[in-house]
Amino acid sequence: QKEVEQNSGPLSVPEGAIASLNCTYSDRGSQSFFWYRQYSGKSPELIMFIYSNGDKEDGRFTAQLNKASQYVSLLIRDSQPSDSATYLCALSNYQLIWGAGTKLIIKP
Amino acid sequence: EAQVTQNPRYLITVTGKKLTVTCSQNMNHEYMSWYRQDPGLGLRQIYYSMNVEVTDKGDVPEGYKVSRKEKRNFPLILESPSPNQTSLYFCASSFQGQAGGQPQHFGDGTRLSIL
Repeated sequence: QKEVEQNSGPLSVPEGAIASLNCTYSDRGSQSFFWYRQYSGKSPELIMFIYSNGDKEDGRFTAQLNKASQYVSLLIRDSQPSDSATYLCALSNYQLIWGAGTKLIIKP
Repeated sequence: EAQVTQNPRYLITVTGKKLTVTCSQNMNHEYMSWYRQDPGLGLRQIYYSMNVEVTDKGDVPEGYKVSRKEKRNFPLILESPSPNQTSLYFCASSFQGQAGGQPQHFGDGTRLSIL
């Protein structure tokens, strides 16, 4: 069983809609959770990080963490074509573990 | 400008010819790491370093070497490259290391092809 699971996609979302990306994990001791965006052939860039249960909002992005259910989500409101990318989930508990990423396609 | 610099960005070479990919950061980060990324497999950690002279294996260390003689530099060495090391490589750095859960800053990547 992979330690961090993400649906590989592609996830297709109409422009202007909400894109919902999910990540489940197996290590209950995980303390820090990160969402990175990666355009094809480019390096990952940090979108959000969250440490506590609940929601954290930054502009059009909202990270949601539920430690009891062992999942972390990323919501993108008012999706734009420029949001089309692969989104990587990562978590940390003395070791940084990466998911394989979900490819998101925003259709105009 | 705060950045992680990798060189070269692209390299095509042949099996067995030793090569070094350099990585330098100007943010005074303690923690540095090398990853490889292959289609469908995500980021896999090769080696990491918590500080100067402290290095440790990641998930896929076979065939690679690293050194951390200075805080800012963390070169990746392939002593005898093989075709299965053809990949996209990223160097990353952060404060305090993974235990602290600090976000990592990535270099632009090195696309390596071993023929």
